[in-house]
Amino acid sequence: DTAVSQTPKYLVTQMGNDKSIKCEQNLGHDTMYWYKQDSKKFLKIMFSYNNKELIINETVPNRFSPKSPDKAHLNLHINSLELGDSAVYFCASSRAIRVYEQYFGPGTRLTVT
Amino acid sequence: QQQVKQSPQSLIVQKGGISIINCAYENTAFDYFPWYQQFPGKGPALLIAIRPDVSEKKEGRFTISFNKSAKQFSLHIMDSQPGDSATYFCAASMDSSNTGKLIFGQGTTLQVKP
Repeated sequence: DTAVSQTPKYLVTQMGNDKSIKCEQNLGHDTMYWYKQDSKKFLKIMFSYNNKELIINETVPNRFSPKSPDKAHLNLHINSLELGDSAVYFCASSRAIRVYEQYFGPGTRLTVT
Repeated sequence: QQQVKQSPQSLIVQKGGISIINCAYENTAFDYFPWYQQFPGKGPALLIAIRPDVSEKKEGRFTISFNKSAKQFSLHIMDSQPGDSATYFCAASMDSSNTGKLIFGQGTTLQVKP
């Protein structure tokens, strides 16, 4: 009965590879987000989708491409991985009218070697 | 304008003491100010939130104090317990905007010593 789930939990890969992270929420929310948390724990929004439509794209390199097949899923594909992409990536969801109340997934720790 | 500044970066408190974390913002268009709690290896979770027309909100041992004129708000954790040891983030959002997003502070790592 997990509210927001992400897979995989850990991802170790080499520079130049392409990888995907999947996210699913069963809360019935209409808005989903991707955040990046760096080594200093700073949380920064990357993307936001509302009803499968891209709402926020925060100056993220084109190598990052989100895809929302339906309201309950938001995946993140990363091309040509770089060392600087190493971080913890969190998926979150909320109702569009309650942006302050977001539910976060457990995170995916990405390590690029 | 979009920043939320949080201090201190880290905090050590004895069990039973009061933990205080402060945040400041610039943009008066923000209409919700939540606090999130994050334990190691977990995602952040909403702890408590306040609107700018309220000066204080209390939930159990957690209290938000809000000073609209100073554009500052703070989290007070009364009777701090070792189980409260976590990273705390203040945030601000514009829920009335259809492109609303959460702007997070830099985070405060709290350690409560037994």
